[in-house]
Amino acid sequence: AQSVTQLDSQVPVFEEAPVELRCNYSSSVSVYLFWYVQYPNQGLQLLLKYLSGSTLVKGINGFEAEFNKSQTSFHLRKPSVHISDTAEYFCAVTIPGYSSASKIIFGSGTRLSIRP
Amino acid sequence: GAGVSQTPSNKVTEKGKYVELRCDPISGHTALYWYRQSLGQGPEFLIYFQGTGAADDSGLPNDRFFAVRPEGSVSTLKIQRTERGDSAVYLCASSLQDRGIDTQYFGPGTRLTVL
Repeated sequence: AQSVTQLDSQVPVFEEAPVELRCNYSSSVSVYLFWYVQYPNQGLQLLLKYLSGSTLVKGINGFEAEFNKSQTSFHLRKPSVHISDTAEYFCAVTIPGYSSASKIIFGSGTRLSIRP
Repeated sequence: GAGVSQTPSNKVTEKGKYVELRCDPISGHTALYWYRQSLGQGPEFLIYFQGTGAADDSGLPNDRFFAVRPEGSVSTLKIQRTERGDSAVYLCASSLQDRGIDTQYFGPGTRLTVL
């Protein structure tokens, strides 16, 4: 079975500071990896995804993530955060190639709060 | 174009009552998913439809939960004899096809509160 662990439930940072949100996954087969963002009172929105190829993935709003197979990690980074980045961030996996397994398995989320 | 819509946005009911939650996927999307998000948790998979049929219902917690998608578009999640533990945000998502590479687009959710 697959699982996703987000090591930090909350991450407070100052505006314009860099941030890293950590994510580790467990799977016996290859997976696709995702980061979703949930702004207050809004639905989930895809930030970025890793399917194959380059391990550094760039997403929307200046975010990027790096896939590290040996460490089974997919940490999310942004070099300089804005107040508008305040949201809940979810790391997630899905298994490629199986029609019944396109369900997404989410981590428990990391709440990013930006201080002015 | 229009995104995934869900109605109602909020539903308050009493323990033991029956509720229906509706999802309108993006037009042309053949795959539809239901997830449940409890407070402080990530969404958990409930059921997935490919067209009209439920291809995977392994996430439904028990037989009080049922979902249909009779014409391959709109889906309804039905909960019988609701319990307080059913309180959560129910999310619907759709994707163009059922492949892991197809982005799932999520609706805003229905917040269900069982008193």
